[in-house]
Amino acid sequence: DSGVTQTPKHLITATGQRVTLRCSPRSGDLSVYWYQQSLDQGLQFLIQYYNGEERAKGNILERFSAQQFPDLHSELNLSSLELGDSALYFCASSPRTMGDIQYFGAGTRLSVL
Amino acid sequence: DQQVKQNSPSLSVQEGRISILNCDYTNSMFDYFLWYKKYPAEGPTFLISISSIKDKNEDGRFTVFLNKSAKHLSLHIVPSQPGDSAVYFCAAILASNYQLIWGAGTKLIIKP
Repeated sequence: DSGVTQTPKHLITATGQRVTLRCSPRSGDLSVYWYQQSLDQGLQFLIQYYNGEERAKGNILERFSAQQFPDLHSELNLSSLELGDSALYFCASSPRTMGDIQYFGAGTRLSVL
Repeated sequence: DQQVKQNSPSLSVQEGRISILNCDYTNSMFDYFLWYKKYPAEGPTFLISISSIKDKNEDGRFTVFLNKSAKHLSLHIVPSQPGDSAVYFCAAILASNYQLIWGAGTKLIIKP
């Protein structure tokens, strides 16, 4: 158990809809990262938050947004969903910055029908 | 532009033998490299890392070798065990912005 909790585990929705994925980092970790893994693809870094502030941005679509709350949990919002957004979405946390080892949650599998 | 490449999508190795997973990179500014292991339906877990100032790091059955001139690193697992069957990701940290760049992964299958 990595200590990182992601909910829900599975999400099935329709095109055009909006969903929210939630992540609780390991106790004491200040950084949260979001990744997307499409079928047979590597991990695509989406965005990093550090202590409530956006720290780094990767290949995140404009339809996607994220935030980190004062209690350090994070939410990834995906809107105007398309079939191609179907993927595994992972959250990871680390004590400080990207240079730390990241600890991953089990992921949320999103299916857009 | 794939800065970190794992050219073998899969690798099959006999139990007890050595598994060698390879990773190539293009950016000479990477200064830290990590290997993560991923089982199905689980998130990746950290396995071993190496700083660019070193050429070898060992942790039990796992050894990572770094060849900076060739921009190549490899993960050696010896002896290979059935529980090592997983997808292995190579990742590199870019010194300028500490962004972590991931390879596409190699699926390792250990045959009994």
